[in-house]
Amino acid sequence: AQTVTQSQPEMSVQEAETVTLSCTYDTSENNYYLFWYKQPPSRQMILVIRQEAYKQQNATENRFSVNFQKAAKSFSLKISDSQLGDTAMYFCASARGNKLVFGAGTILRVKS
Amino acid sequence: NAGVTQTPKFRILKIGQSMTLQCTQDMNHNYMYWYRQDPGMGLKLIYYSVGAGITDKGEVPNGYNVSRSTTEDFPLRLELAAPSQTSVYFCATWTGGGYGYTFGSGTRLTVV
Repeated sequence: AQTVTQSQPEMSVQEAETVTLSCTYDTSENNYYLFWYKQPPSRQMILVIRQEAYKQQNATENRFSVNFQKAAKSFSLKISDSQLGDTAMYFCASARGNKLVFGAGTILRVKS
Repeated sequence: NAGVTQTPKFRILKIGQSMTLQCTQDMNHNYMYWYRQDPGMGLKLIYYSVGAGITDKGEVPNGYNVSRSTTEDFPLRLELAAPSQTSVYFCATWTGGGYGYTFGSGTRLTVV
């Protein structure tokens, strides 16, 4: 079965600093997509960033970037210049066909 | 453009009662999903559908039923509610183009 592992249940970071959330996954597919979703206290699931496995270049979206290591099956999320609004649960997910498999999530708290 | 609409947002059920969680989408997406979110467990797939009239079990289907009579609607039925079904339930559609899911806003269900 496809699995996604987030080894950090909780993280905290000072406002304006940088934090990295870890994610490893297991897949037998050659081409696939990886995602990071943000879930703030409102409970809404928000797509933060996505990565296509066949692309070597790491995806970036403003202050969010990933470190995608295909051979190691690692997909970490880096948040630069952390803001109070980044406080949320973050889920890593991998696509198996048209279904997503999610990690257990990492709670990120940004402190002022 | 409403996207994915879930109702109700909150519900308290007594043990043994039944209810239907509603999910409606206006994006004409074929693939629809039901997940449950438990603390520290991420999101687990309950049922999914690849189109009207076609449904299939996910990882945790016991205690639930679904139907898909139209492209737009994908209701989730709980029969004989149990405390183990206390959770947050998300409906989602496959957005396509490698963009993962579009989520509804979730339903928080408590069984007492």
